Parts: sequence; structure tokens; C-alpha cells
Amino acid sequence: ETGVTQSPTHLIKTRGQQVTLRCSSQSGHNTVSWYQQALGQGPQFIFQYYREEENGRGNFPPRFSGLQFPNYSSELNVNALELDDSALYLCASTHRAGYGYTFGSGTRLTVV
Amino acid sequence: ELKVEQNPLFLSMQEGKNYTIYCNYSTTSDRLYWYRQDPGKSLESLFVLLSNGAVKQEGRLMASLDTKARLSTLHITAAVHDLSATYFCAVVSSGAGSYQLTFGKGTKLSVIP
Repeated sequence: ETGVTQSPTHLIKTRGQQVTLRCSSQSGHNTVSWYQQALGQGPQFIFQYYREEENGRGNFPPRFSGLQFPNYSSELNVNALELDDSALYLCASTHRAGYGYTFGSGTRLTVV
Repeated sequence: ELKVEQNPLFLSMQEGKNYTIYCNYSTTSDRLYWYRQDPGKSLESLFVLLSNGAVKQEGRLMASLDTKARLSTLHITAAVHDLSATYFCAVVSSGAGSYQLTFGKGTKLSVIP
């Protein structure tokens, strides 16, 4: 058991819709980051949250947004879904930025 | 921009053989991770390497780090079928208080009985 849980595990959405993915971090882990993994590729950094503030973003457009809550849970929101958004979305939490990443089991998003 | 390159991307090897996966990265970093991923699953942490010359071993896997050459290796000794998976290296980079992992494309390992 990783200590980081993600929901839902699978999701099918239509192009143009909006989606919210959820992540519950390990207790005490105040930093959470989200990654997108397209099929056959390595994960790519979307953004990082620390103490409920976004403090780093990868090369993703603003329609990818997030929230982090005081109870260490977080959300990834994607608006105006595109077919290329189909991927495995992973969240990772750490208690100390840059060290000891714990990844969740991921959410498989399919956009049709 | 940090780039991480792994090779080979695909590796088919017989049980009992040895092989090495290479991970090169383009800018200075003091932390490098190796992960294993089974099909449809999340990432399992194998090793974290924190300093030049670091070597870590777990079972049939051994990882090393040369920060001067910006190179890490994952050596597989006497491969068994259970090691079949995709292996990723990931390098930590930082900026403006944020830390991110930059991953290689992965090495898909198939161990043939």
C-alpha cells in the first residue's frame, strides 16, 4: 500500500468536457505534484503544490489547474478536454520537497 | 531545460544473463531515482541516489550514479522473468522553490525463459 490514493481509477470523457481527478496524500506530506503519462512515454510534470499554493508548473496550458487542501488532499482539473489528454495521471506526495516521492496508483483518463 | 535519455528503450534478454541500462542527463542534479512500472500500474520506487559514486543494490538490481559524467546505470544480474517491466530513471531539478522529476522515456525489459 502506497499511502497515496487516487480516484477514480478509470474515467471516460468526451472531447470538450471538464474533469476533476482526486488525490489523497500521505499524512504529513505537504507537497504534492501531478504527472501525465501518455501511453509508452515517461511521466511529464504538470505542476506542484506546496501548502495549498502552486509553486511550479511544467509545459502544460492553463486549462490544467489544481487545488491542494489543508487535509493534504488535492485535485487536478482539466477543462476543454482534448483527445491528446488521454493518459495515466499520477499524483506524488513528499514530506520534503524533492525527496522521497510516493506515487499514487493513478487515474486512467480516456477522452473520446 | 533538463533532458534525460535512457538506453536502450527496449531490451529482450534471456534468464540468467546480465545487462545494464544507462541513463544520461543534461544538467547538474544531486538526486536521481529509478522506478519500475508494470503494465497499467503506477510507479514503484527502486532506488534513490543522492551523491556522486553512490551505489545501491537490491536483489538482482544494482544502481550507481556518476554526477560528473551525469550518468546513472541500472545493472541487472542473472535476470529472472519477474524482472520484466518498464524501468524509468528520473532526475530532480529545482527552480523558484519547486522541485520536479524529469523522466526518461523508459526501458521496456522482457526477460525470456
